[in-house]
Amino acid sequence: NAGVTQTPKFQVLKTGQSMTLQCAQDMNHNSMYWYRQDPGMGLRLIYYSASEGTTDKGEVPNGYNVSRLNKREFSLRLESAAPSQTSVYFCASRGADTLYGYTFGSGTRLTVV
Amino acid sequence: SQQGEEDPQALSIQEGENATMNCSYKTSINNLQWYRQNSGRGLVHLILIRSNEREKHSGRLRVTLDTSKKSSSLLITASRAADTASYFCATESWETSGSRLTFGEGTQLTVNP
Repeated sequence: NAGVTQTPKFQVLKTGQSMTLQCAQDMNHNSMYWYRQDPGMGLRLIYYSASEGTTDKGEVPNGYNVSRLNKREFSLRLESAAPSQTSVYFCASRGADTLYGYTFGSGTRLTVV
Repeated sequence: SQQGEEDPQALSIQEGENATMNCSYKTSINNLQWYRQNSGRGLVHLILIRSNEREKHSGRLRVTLDTSKKSSSLLITASRAADTASYFCATESWETSGSRLTFGEGTQLTVNP
């Protein structure tokens, strides 16, 4: 099925550990995004990539890095995880057709202890 | 900070009734979108209304947009138990660095059978 695939679905890290969240889309979309969602809140933008080779900071970029590996893949890296990064992370993509919205992955639930 | 505020934060109704959710935002936008999130799942795009449109329908959904008041409403008619979910409004702005989608905090809708 076409869409946005995120891996892993669940992860527990110890404070200070690093990890990379993977995201891939097969809809030939130019733009890709990483959001985090904390309990009782909407989604907040971490980083985005309008096209292959470009990345930009969103609302809450501190503590994260991203890589737009190619048109399909956009990864999010936590270099030194902190408890404040416990959250659900969503990847999304958007095509050029402005009649349609974003397509979201199913999320990665990350706990930092 | 979140772009928009949604009202109410929680709504509980009986099956067959209509549900209305409101959203306000702060800055100029290209379009406004509504998403649904079932518990523990990713977000699903419901409907997009452009800044030059005032009303849009899709099945049992009706969205209005008042750019002079910077507000939108989502009406779900003849609600069903399966409509139980969180609903988020999100504003999209197109910038030189690409498009960005900014979310409100959501309305938790419970439809009782």
